[in-house]
Order: sequence, then C-alpha cells, then structure tokens
Amino acid sequence: DGGITQSPKYLFRKEGQNVTLSCEQNLNHDAMYWYRQDPGQGLRLIYYSQIVNDFQKGDIAEGYSVSREKKESFPLTVTSAQKNPTAFYLCASSIVARANQPQHFGDGTRLSIL
Amino acid sequence: GQQLNQSPQSMFIQEGEDVSMNCTSSSIFNTWLWYKQEPGEGPVLLIALYKAGELTSNGRLTAQFGITRKDSFLNISASIPSDVGIYFCAGLTTDSWGKLQFGAGTQVVVTP
Repeated sequence: DGGITQSPKYLFRKEGQNVTLSCEQNLNHDAMYWYRQDPGQGLRLIYYSQIVNDFQKGDIAEGYSVSREKKESFPLTVTSAQKNPTAFYLCASSIVARANQPQHFGDGTRLSIL
Repeated sequence: GQQLNQSPQSMFIQEGEDVSMNCTSSSIFNTWLWYKQEPGEGPVLLIALYKAGELTSNGRLTAQFGITRKDSFLNISASIPSDVGIYFCAGLTTDSWGKLQFGAGTQVVVTP
C-alpha cells in the first residue's frame, strides 16, 4: 500500500541525547514536512523539503535538524539543544510544495523524556 | 507563523445531531483543507477546497470555502459515534511554498 511510514511509534530520550525519527514515503512525492503537535494545539512546522538535497526551516526549527538525501526519506533529529522535546511528531508529504497540493500524514512518533 | 482561529474548541453532541465548526483568518488563503485526527494517529484529509465559494461534500461531511477567502466551514450531518475525534482546518497560500497554517482543532464527542 502507498503511504507514509513513521518509526518508531514511541521513543524515549535521555537528557543530553540526540534521537532520530524516521519518515519514509512510497508515494513518489517531492515535498516532505515535519510537524510538532502539543496537547490542545494545532500543528507547528519544524522543517520542510521541496526536493531532494534541499530543506528549509519552519516556524520552530531550533533544536532540530533534518536531511533529505533520498526522495523517499526525510529523517528528523531531535538534538540535546531542544529543551522541551516531549511531543507528538508528524511527518507529511505532498506531490509538490504548492498551494493546490494537500499534505498527507503518517501516524506519528510520540517522544518522551526519561 | 500566522494562526487560524478555529471554533468551537470542543463539542459534546448526541448521536444523530448535526455539527458545525468554522475557521477564520485575517489573511487570504488559496486552499482550505479539513482533517480529522483520532487519538495516537496522524490527521487524515477529509475535504480539500480550492475556490472561493466552493461547496464540497464527502458523505455526511460538507465544507465550504468562504467568499472572502478568509474563512471556511465544516458541517457533519447526522453524527454517529465514529465521528469522535479532533477536526483541524488548515490553509495554504500561493506564497507559502506548501506551508500549511493550522487551526487549534475542534474536539467532537458523540454520545449515544
């Protein structure tokens, strides 16, 4: 089935540790996105990538890093510089990054601090 | 980034009732999207709207793109228990390079 796969479903981070969240899509979409969701709030954009080997900061990029070496993969690293990393992280993709192309989401990774 | 104003924040309704929610913004959008999210899952796209005044249905769901392009509405008719979830509006502009702006969500609870 075509879709967006995020792993792991649950992730625990120790203080001072970097962790990487995986996002893979087999939809042949050019654009991919990472969002953070906190309870009672809408989704906030962390990073987005319009094409392979290119990515831009979103509204809350501090403490996060990404790479886009392959079209189907857009991993997110939550670094130790992110002081409040506990949240639900959602990856999305769209055919291209344009206003008439809706985004489709994976099932998320819930990150917690040990 | 700019935030969409979505209301109501939550709704507690009886099975069979209709549900209405809306999203407003001070800015113009070119695309309005409505998503539903269930606990522990990602949002699922329900309806996409691309033109001012457009009215689109998906089963018991109907959404409209406001004439001013600054608002959108979602209606659910004859609610059933599986309608429970959080409904999000989201907007796209032509100069935003695909960056969605989200409302805070409307939590819908349906009681038998």
